[in-house]
Amino acid sequence: EIVLTQSPGTLSLSPGEKATLSCRASQSVYKNYFAWYLQKPGQGPRVLIHGASIRATGIADRFTASGSGTDFTLTISRLEPEDFGVYYCQQYGSSPVTFGGGTRVEIK
Amino acid sequence: QVHLQESGPGLVKPSETLSLTCSVSGDSISSHYWSWVRQPPGRRLEWIAYIYNSRTDFNPSLKSRVTISLDTSKKQISLKLTSVTAADTAVYYCASIPQFWGQGTLVTVSS
Repeated sequence: EIVLTQSPGTLSLSPGEKATLSCRASQSVYKNYFAWYLQKPGQGPRVLIHGASIRATGIADRFTASGSGTDFTLTISRLEPEDFGVYYCQQYGSSPVTFGGGTRVEIK
Repeated sequence: QVHLQESGPGLVKPSETLSLTCSVSGDSISSHYWSWVRQPPGRRLEWIAYIYNSRTDFNPSLKSRVTISLDTSKKQISLKLTSVTAADTAVYYCASIPQFWGQGTLVTVSS
């Protein structure tokens, strides 16, 4: 099973600041089948990025993602109030599908 | 746009079987890999299983207790989890990973 480790655990930032989130996989992710999600309290995950760097439909261009193999990064160029919540990474190229432990982005 | 809606009992007794249904609208049920994913309170997301037409795959940690099935006429995906314990308390999501997710349904295992 591919273990995904996210860092940092928590980011305390102000609106307008830049956020950089990381996710490291214990093995190479097959064909970059890799996604980033944002989850807000009481809601299901919302996909931001799939295929490691492809923004999902309707996702603002302040969200950019990069990476391949075992190291992946999500960058939010200027945080908006609606961007605060828990971010999860996921690999869906190998079975079982696995998720990271999450990075909480909170308002400073 | 695909819409998914989970339904089922919110409370299940220990040792019994958890049964959930996911209703699909907006696209052909035969065109997607359908997964069940759960999230215990305060914990990370955990993939349970997927089904694509007649093809299935399971998380090894749950495989012995899980059944997943498709009813194409009703456009529904079903999940059964047997011999539940308190550790199975979670919000259960139906999803076509990565793009489409349901809102989730909370299942509590308690006597």
